[in-house]
Amino acid sequence: QSVLTQPPSASGTPGQRVTISCSGSTSNIGSKDVYWYQQLPGTAPKSLMYRNNQRPSGVPDRFSGSKSGTSASLAISGLRSEDEGDYYCATWDDSLRGWVFGGGTKLTVL
Amino acid sequence: EVQLVESGGGLVQPGGSLRLSCAASGFTFSSFDMHWVRQGIGKGLEWVSGIGSGGETYYVGSVKGRFTVSRENAKNSLYLQMNSLRGGDTAVYYCARGAGTGFDPWGQGTLVTVSS
Repeated sequence: QSVLTQPPSASGTPGQRVTISCSGSTSNIGSKDVYWYQQLPGTAPKSLMYRNNQRPSGVPDRFSGSKSGTSASLAISGLRSEDEGDYYCATWDDSLRGWVFGGGTKLTVL
Repeated sequence: EVQLVESGGGLVQPGGSLRLSCAASGFTFSSFDMHWVRQGIGKGLEWVSGIGSGGETYYVGSVKGRFTVSRENAKNSLYLQMNSLRGGDTAVYYCARGAGTGFDPWGQGTLVTVSS
């Protein structure tokens, strides 16, 4: 059972907008920045979003992040087949004194 | 180019030990926190351990007392000494730099299999 809760799956057709949620608590998301990672099939994870809503260099602006209270969301607009993969949220947890990840959301582009 | 390359994975019996290494290049290694993150086969990501630029260390509860993270700045290297290994430790182990952009980048990973 992960400290951060994500839906196990999400899907959309090309061009659609999909949103992936990440729910935590006051000891993690409620007081810390949220990070998102993308893991395409057979590859290592890659930084996708940092400090809630900032995109690293090279990440398309189709990807956006937000945070409110103890929840965060990743939105992907203009869905493309190459977006298919697993998406993870992460943050620091003050109670556990360590980094925690969500269980991951498998995105399928139909 | 910033690069991280892990090594040292393999098959080990329950109760055994293994030492993972991560060779860093393309950045000032001593200035960054470094982390180990693992992924069980077909499972999600789990942060295992981190070491700050000043040498402070952090561990997930399930490995405390069994794993030790260390760094050798002169060799641009990160290590993870894993003792008393269990089946639940079977995973691909990634090293990752702790940057402002999060864990960035990640290495390609090294597989650790704990089995008799």
